[in-house]
Amino acid sequence: DVKVTQSSRYLVKRTGEKVFLECVQDMDHENMFWYRQDPGLGLRLIYFSYDVKMKEKGDIPEGYSVSREKKERFSLILESASTNQTSMYLCASSLSRRGWAMGYTFGSGTRLTVV
Amino acid sequence: GQQVMQIPQYQHVQEGEDFTTYCNSSTTLSNIQWYKQRPGGHPVFLIQLVKSGEVKKQKRLTFQFGEAKKNSSLHITATQTTDVGTYFCAADDSGGYQKVTFGIGTKLQVIP
Repeated sequence: DVKVTQSSRYLVKRTGEKVFLECVQDMDHENMFWYRQDPGLGLRLIYFSYDVKMKEKGDIPEGYSVSREKKERFSLILESASTNQTSMYLCASSLSRRGWAMGYTFGSGTRLTVV
Repeated sequence: GQQVMQIPQYQHVQEGEDFTTYCNSSTTLSNIQWYKQRPGGHPVFLIQLVKSGEVKKQKRLTFQFGEAKKNSSLHITATQTTDVGTYFCAADDSGGYQKVTFGIGTKLQVIP
């Protein structure tokens, strides 16, 4: 019954490495999102996509990029990982509806540690 | 960008007591959503409110959307230990993209 799958639950990477976080949804949702969650800072939007090959910057896109080559898959890329990117990363998807945002379905999250 | 204030940030209650978290926006919202995140888990969508003054109930949870569509509340009656977690509101200001802005969340601890 899993609907949004994130490739790794825990990940440890070295500073300067290129990191790929993968997210796949099986609900045929148009919209996909990447958030990071840090204590005391809540959920902060990194990037989102409302269609294949489309992407929009969120509130904190610096140091990240994304790729959406297929509708079901949205990848987050850390070009050169740094210790301040140690965080919980959450992927989410939602249906597209004219007029307002629909509820999100979140993946289980990837806890990334950069050493 | 859209700002949404959520209070309180933390709340400890005795089991059986009521609990309320509030969400306020400076702008009129298209709709507001509520999520629950259990400790160690991910946010789970609870409900969406769309109409001015709307009230919805889910068992012991009551959700309200203000008349001006700028504020919302989640009230839990007679809390149980299973209610422990962080409750987030998420505001949609219909700014053109189908995304919401999350509040900081209210972390609820229930003391047995």
